[in-house]
Amino acid sequence: DTGVSQNPRHKITKRGQNVTFRCDPISEHNRLYWYRQTLGQGPEFLTYFQNEAQLEKSRLLSDRFSAERPKGSFSTLEIQRTEQGDSAMYLCASSLANRPGAQYFGPGTRLLVL
Amino acid sequence: LAKTTQPISMDSYEGQEVNITCSHNNIATNDYITWYQQFPSQGPRFIIQGYKTKVTNEVASLFIPADRKSSTLSLPRVSLSDTAVYYCLVGGVGDDKIIFGKGTRLHILP
Repeated sequence: DTGVSQNPRHKITKRGQNVTFRCDPISEHNRLYWYRQTLGQGPEFLTYFQNEAQLEKSRLLSDRFSAERPKGSFSTLEIQRTEQGDSAMYLCASSLANRPGAQYFGPGTRLLVL
Repeated sequence: LAKTTQPISMDSYEGQEVNITCSHNNIATNDYITWYQQFPSQGPRFIIQGYKTKVTNEVASLFIPADRKSSTLSLPRVSLSDTAVYYCLVGGVGDDKIIFGKGTRLHILP
């Protein structure tokens, strides 16, 4: 296992379309996090899972956003009815539950909504 | 989660030692201090974490004074490839998430 992977790396879509991103964490990590990052800002927390349970969602995560981690391994983040303001880098990270401060990030998925 | 304050940007030259200081006046007793590095178009990379005194690894050193209200990330003999954004964060083992600020943009000049 070489680290956290994310697919796709880039996504261009038209406003109103739905998009789905996938994250594969480090296999022994039981926590998985999603962040959003815009230009010049640090990553903003969106949600996290411990195993398959989604334990917290940020207020940034509107009802158009949904995340799943069905078997406690990979996770998907879906954005419905995309808006131009959704354009950002979407980052996934994983960690051990007893070391949430030491997170390992994937390369991100860059979303552009036209 | 304790708030941190760090310089917005710094410039240095190749071969120099770079020290980036972070203030965290409201750090709690069980909080750790963690630094991440982020290159353009990549996710942040965990580089070092400490609780008190000094921690050193193959990438950097972290100096934490006795009152723990600040910390300094030290990068020895930087190269152009150390140009990145460096984030300082504080949080306890019991915290469920970490909060990133804007970080320090370090620019290494030839």
